[in-house]
Amino acid sequence: QSALTQPASVSGSPGQSITISCTGTSSDVGNYNLVSWYQHHPGKAPKLMIYEGTKRPSGISNRFSGSKSVNTASLTISGLQAEDEADYYCCSYAVTYTPPYVFGTGTKVSVL
Amino acid sequence: QVQLQESGPGLVPPSETLSLTCTVSGGSVTSGDSYWSWIRQPPGKGLEWIGYIYYSGRTQYNPSLKSRVTISVDTSKKQFSLKMRSVTAADAAEYYCARTSSWYSAVDCWGQGTLVTVSS
Repeated sequence: QSALTQPASVSGSPGQSITISCTGTSSDVGNYNLVSWYQHHPGKAPKLMIYEGTKRPSGISNRFSGSKSVNTASLTISGLQAEDEADYYCCSYAVTYTPPYVFGTGTKVSVL
Repeated sequence: QVQLQESGPGLVPPSETLSLTCTVSGGSVTSGDSYWSWIRQPPGKGLEWIGYIYYSGRTQYNPSLKSRVTISVDTSKKQFSLKMRSVTAADAAEYYCARTSSWYSAVDCWGQGTLVTVSS
């Protein structure tokens, strides 16, 4: 089970929208609507931002949205804010893996 | 609101055993939708699953670590633990305990993390 592929970095100016891709295979991302996204500020605990591909946990801003096309999931951050600068990881469920989850390689989001 | 807190030595000599404990507060370790997980992040690298345990004791481990890792749970103490044998420099990382929720099919709660250095 290989890590899902994410771009190493994405940047944008305040107020802009950015999209982070997460590419897997037909065994993971492509086979389930069970991709989650995490925001990780260094030194802090990672935070669940999106689950089941498109759903936001309670308290998560609607500026964060998720989508999927075939084997690639995406996280879009609209109205980019300075506080959004962090590392972002995707994760997909895959019943054939052990444990049945695989993380992405991670993306550093910079707010210019 | 479930909270998790890791504890254990921050320095482990090479070839020795890394032992970490995670204490669960604000929730039940016997919750049927929770898989108690260990995840690590080596410096400058991404997140890596180590494994998880269900309150019944059922475990799943990352195949690359399975021969050296044991995860256990103590429901009376509301704790779960990680033991990793024969550590090397490659095992130096930030170690997170976490709850994987079958309801979300995601990790919905994380500890703050504890940095483990492997050195004599």
